[in-house]
Amino acid sequence: NAGVTQTPKFQVLKTGQSMTLQCAQDMNHNSMYWYRQDPGMGLRLIYYSASEGTTDKGEVPNGYNVSRLNKREFSLRLESAAPSQTSVYFCASRGLAGGPAKNIQYFGAGTRLSVL
Amino acid sequence: DAKTTQPPSMDCAEGRAANLPCNHSTISGNEYVYWYRQIHSQGPQYIIHGLKNNETNEMASLIITEDRKSSTLILPHATLRDTAVYYCIVRPLGRFGNEKLTFGTGTRLTIIP
Repeated sequence: NAGVTQTPKFQVLKTGQSMTLQCAQDMNHNSMYWYRQDPGMGLRLIYYSASEGTTDKGEVPNGYNVSRLNKREFSLRLESAAPSQTSVYFCASRGLAGGPAKNIQYFGAGTRLSVL
Repeated sequence: DAKTTQPPSMDCAEGRAANLPCNHSTISGNEYVYWYRQIHSQGPQYIIHGLKNNETNEMASLIITEDRKSSTLILPHATLRDTAVYYCIVRPLGRFGNEKLTFGTGTRLTIIP
């Protein structure tokens, strides 16, 4: 099992360019998440998808859109990149386990994005 | 969610036990304590969780005080690969369980050879 796979690993954009970050999981998980992490700070939730066909905003959704393409894939799109979006982006997924295991998330290796 | 407080950094000698404290004095009765870690440049990794009893798995032990206002993550024989930022997170059992995890700034643990 690869777990959670993110592509690309690195990306440099110019202000105003658009791009899509890809995320796929092979664990048959229902819920998927996109976080961003700025230098020296904790992770902040951008968007999440509780199940295929649904998406909801997290705490920092402005400037981003998401698509839950199918159960495996959850993409994050920057329509017009800004320098403030320079960050490391992490995708995560969570399975169907009940009880306290609901709060166990599995993370990808991240995408390092620089917007010039 | 209950707020957590962790020391910003700690050092530990290789081979010794690393004890990472977390204060969560406002924890509610239905909230669990979770620990994750983030090794440099990698995504966070789940370690362990508990409610009120001490827990142990292949990675670590979790000791929660009787009043549940604080906890300690113990790495019994720290190795250089344990150098990471460790996050203590308190979360309830939500109705749908799809809530975000709130990562603070954590404790940067450095294992010294």
